[in-house]
Amino acid sequence: DAGITQSPRHKVTETGTPVTLRCHQTENHRYMYWYRQDPGHGLRLIHYSYGVKDTDKGEVSDGYSVSRSKTEDFLLTLESATSSQTSVYFCAISESGGGTNTGELFFGEGSRLTVL
Amino acid sequence: SQQGEEDPQALSIQEGENATMNCSYKTSINNLQWYRQNSGRGLVHLILIRSNEREKHSGRLRVTLDTSKKSSSLLITASRAADTASYFCANRPIGGAQKLVFGQGTRLTINP
Repeated sequence: DAGITQSPRHKVTETGTPVTLRCHQTENHRYMYWYRQDPGHGLRLIHYSYGVKDTDKGEVSDGYSVSRSKTEDFLLTLESATSSQTSVYFCAISESGGGTNTGELFFGEGSRLTVL
Repeated sequence: SQQGEEDPQALSIQEGENATMNCSYKTSINNLQWYRQNSGRGLVHLILIRSNEREKHSGRLRVTLDTSKKSSSLLITASRAADTASYFCANRPIGGAQKLVFGQGTRLTINP
């Protein structure tokens, strides 16, 4: 199994509080991603990183920020959590990011966030 | 939304039967991938098919790709109870800047 660790795995918080989810990898992969998974929507990309300090937005980035100060860590922050951000969050990594032969993602086990 | 669509949303079959899931997408792609997710777990990569390929096999899995119709199918032959899971297709759009776009998934149940 790819070395990806998400923390915390479960969190319950209240509306308006900040939350940070951490993704840690031991594979030295360049690309890291944060997805959220909701019933009826599948997985939707929040933000991704293509290198240290290099990040870009996905399709559902509003209300989220990310940081990557080291290759192995990718942090997802909800500055002020809302109930609509209740979801399961998945981190994924990829050794390469483009082309026809490439781009297999390895996923963490997910972080279940409940915002009351 | 760039998301693709999967069909059916849920599929229930008897053990030993074949299961077919379909996926459509919206833009030109570099490749298309299929993933599996067991309940409460992360997704696991199953197979990748390149845009210039039409069919690919891996064990009991057979994937087809029709770029003219922007569609793909995943066939699982001789299904087993352990195949019970959700299956997702994901496409990598050309010019999509390292993004992988997932469909909404098919929930497959194999009845013993």
